[in-house]
Amino acid sequence: GAVVSQHPSWVICKSGTSVKIECRSLDFQATTMFWYRQFPKQSLMLMATSNEGSKATYEQGVEKDKFLINHASLTLSTLTVTSAHPEDSSFYICSAAPPYGTMNTEAFFGQGTRLTVV
Amino acid sequence: SQQGEEDPQALSIQEGENATMNCSYKTSINNLQWYRQNSGRGLVHLILIRSNEREKHSGRLRVTLDTSKKSSSLLITASRAADTASYFCATVGGGSEKLVFGKGMKLTVNP
Repeated sequence: GAVVSQHPSWVICKSGTSVKIECRSLDFQATTMFWYRQFPKQSLMLMATSNEGSKATYEQGVEKDKFLINHASLTLSTLTVTSAHPEDSSFYICSAAPPYGTMNTEAFFGQGTRLTVV
Repeated sequence: SQQGEEDPQALSIQEGENATMNCSYKTSINNLQWYRQNSGRGLVHLILIRSNEREKHSGRLRVTLDTSKKSSSLLITASRAADTASYFCATVGGGSEKLVFGKGMKLTVNP
């Protein structure tokens, strides 16, 4: 299957700093990428849909100024957690919709990023 | 937002037994997908079933879909210790490509 690379796999940052997470589709062009967060022992919660060349669409309750998403190219989307606080500590996972869409096939997921804010 | 609800939330069985996980959802769907996640890691796609399909097999996996009841089940036969993981159902539908996940189910297969 297609490969989606997410970097870094883990990061520890100080409270008040910003952290950028990258999500790259390595062997296909992804016009749409999705960002999820996952708290321990819970499911994946969709945060936002990232569209290449346009503004991201955020799910209800997700602060767009807190979680900045940029999808500047067909192979890269970034999530920046601004002014991070301990409650932002979580597992963040990206996925990329294949060129033919998720209507007929699975999405491809990155390996996830474990963010710890101290 | 979450749509799917897995039942039960946690299941512990012996190696060799079958494991059944159920998932219910609320809105119309285009397809339903099952994923597996080992502790603290990314997701592995297991199987996709379309809304016009009723049953699908892949190796030791069998998935059923009942759109009238808005439910799906994942059966893992002859379980192995390596099947220990969390399992999630996720749906695509409503004209959107986004994948909405259920709560997940932790499966423990004891050797």
